[in-house]
Amino acid sequence: AQSVAQPEDQVNVAEGNPLTVKCTYSVSGNPYLFWYVQYPNRGLQFLLKYITGDNLVKGSYGFEAEFNKSQTSFHLKKPSALVSDSALYFCAVRDGGNKLVFGAGTILRVKS
Amino acid sequence: NAGVTQTPKFQVLKTGQSMTLQCAQDMNHNSMYWYRQDPGMGLRLIYYSASEGTTDKGEVPNGYNVSRLNKREFSLRLESAAPSQTSVYFCASSYQGTEQYFGPGTRLTVT
Repeated sequence: AQSVAQPEDQVNVAEGNPLTVKCTYSVSGNPYLFWYVQYPNRGLQFLLKYITGDNLVKGSYGFEAEFNKSQTSFHLKKPSALVSDSALYFCAVRDGGNKLVFGAGTILRVKS
Repeated sequence: NAGVTQTPKFQVLKTGQSMTLQCAQDMNHNSMYWYRQDPGMGLRLIYYSASEGTTDKGEVPNGYNVSRLNKREFSLRLESAAPSQTSVYFCASSYQGTEQYFGPGTRLTVT
């Protein structure tokens, strides 16, 4: 079965600094990978996806993610963090047909 | 274009009571999903419907039933609520297994 792991429960970064939220995956076949963000008391919002093609994927709100096949990773990045980026971030992988499997989530805290 | 809507937003039930959570999407998506979110557990799939007329169990289906009423609507029923079903429930939809779009959630407490 497909799976993803988010090794950090929480990431702290200062406003203006670059941020990275880590995700590793385990799949059979080609991976379909996704990042979502969840603000307090809200549903998940889609940020970006990797299906095929360029290893650097650009998404919403200035976020991007780098797909690395040799390291089986799909880390979320942003060059300059904002306080408003503070939220819960989920990595997900497509699992057979139309389903997604989610990681446990990483809390991002950006301090001013 | 409202996206994915869910009702109710909040609900408190007593053990043994039943209720139905409603979900509707206006994006003409063929697939719909029900998840529950618990602290430290991420999102777990309860049931999904790949297309109108089909439903399948997910990771944690026990204690739940679903109905895909039509292409737009997918309901989740708790026949006899238990405290272990206290959670936040999210409905989502997607077009043929691409990215999923989520509703705002229902916060359910079972006492």
